[in-house]
Amino acid sequence: EAAVTQSPRNKVAVTGGKVTLSCNQTNNHNNMYWYRQDTGHGLRLIHYSYGAGSTEKGDIPDGYKASRPSQENFSLILELATPSQTSVYFCASGGDWGPYAEQFFGPGTRLTVL
Amino acid sequence: GDQVEQSPSALSLHEGTGSALRCNFTTTMRAVQWFQQNSRGSLINLFYLASGTKENGRLKSTFNSKESYSTLHIRDAQLEDSGTYFCAAEAGTNAYKVIFGKGTHLHVLP
Repeated sequence: EAAVTQSPRNKVAVTGGKVTLSCNQTNNHNNMYWYRQDTGHGLRLIHYSYGAGSTEKGDIPDGYKASRPSQENFSLILELATPSQTSVYFCASGGDWGPYAEQFFGPGTRLTVL
Repeated sequence: GDQVEQSPSALSLHEGTGSALRCNFTTTMRAVQWFQQNSRGSLINLFYLASGTKENGRLKSTFNSKESYSTLHIRDAQLEDSGTYFCAAEAGTNAYKVIFGKGTHLHVLP
């Protein structure tokens, strides 16, 4: 069974503060993703990565950075958090395109920016 | 406009009945995934299809890439089927991205 974990599970931050969300996968997947989920928008892609050392912009990258230091770990960084970034964040891992491209999701991190 | 259009946006079913959820695509998609988001917010993988039909228990999904749609059929609905169902499609132009629909909120009634 695919295993994707996220930490922290809940986070309260102050406006202007730095927030780092962490994701770890034990599937040995090359691809990892960060999404946010907001009511009325479904899941939207923020950043993704093809492998260690790579990060790519998704559909809504503004205000976020990403870091992929290893195959297993992918972080999402909010350098200057704003209340509009209050959301639930999901990390996912997936194989390469083709029969193995199915994505598996972590449990989510609920972030509140005050 | 949205590349992945899910319908209906909300659905109520009585236990033991069934229905179909649908995703229409406005561009060519290579594959589709279906997820259930449960009451705890977890995203549960239901199906991954590059073509054809798959079945698992009371659920069945079909992906028709030529006609640009996918369906998820639920039969003999149970209370634990309640939740939000998402489809997510792999666009043909980028191997690494999927595009999510906005979901169908399913409420199964006793």
